[in-house]
Amino acid sequence: QVQILQSESELKNPGASVKVSCKASGYTFSDYGLNWVRQAPGQGLEWMGWINTNTGQAIYARGFTGRFVFSLDTPVRTAYLQISSLKTEDTAVYYCARDPKGGYCVGSGCYSFRFDYWGQGSQVTVSS
Amino acid sequence: QSVLTQPPSASGAPGQRVTISCSGSSSNIGSNYVNWYQQLPGTAPKLLIYKNSQRPSGVPDRFSGSRSGTSASLSVSGLRSEDEADYFCAVWDDSLSGGLFGGGTKLTVL
Repeated sequence: QVQILQSESELKNPGASVKVSCKASGYTFSDYGLNWVRQAPGQGLEWMGWINTNTGQAIYARGFTGRFVFSLDTPVRTAYLQISSLKTEDTAVYYCARDPKGGYCVGSGCYSFRFDYWGQGSQVTVSS
Repeated sequence: QSVLTQPPSASGAPGQRVTISCSGSSSNIGSNYVNWYQQLPGTAPKLLIYKNSQRPSGVPDRFSGSRSGTSASLSVSGLRSEDEADYFCAVWDDSLSGGLFGGGTKLTVL
């Protein structure tokens, strides 16, 4: 069965970095993109972007360029979100979600923007 | 403030029907498929409706979706206590070349 398992909670100081992992199983990894979604405390969902699991190309939404980096380790079917120079406003739950190939194309990837399986979420808390 | 506008709250008594709206523009809802997600307290979102009105396997037919022009709606009939959750619309935006979520609607079953 399809499973997406994320890393555990992290507590970081402002200015530090964090790397969140997202391990997929139960399906052909390269047939689906992986998206990242942020949810700040008590707030809604924000699309951060996606990573093409065939090419490794990452596409970032506005507001998530510079300090945010998506990467892959394809042999272990794992995607990563790294955030550098952490700020208190980065405190949030970060989700990864699977996305079938489809008609919305940016860069080398075309996906459906339809997230049919989600990880359980990774809490990142930034506080001194 | 989100580009996709949802009412912050909605409510209904058990057994009633509730409709949640999502208003956008020609570059998003007006030209692309709308999806809806349900987020139960403390859990990850779950895909509830895709391609405007399609239900994934396992989603009860009490949930239905529709789209008209630059607006979409999610209806829940035969309300049950377990439907208490946050509901988000989501759609691709051609102008942004990126995805959007609505601000979310908290559904309360009275």
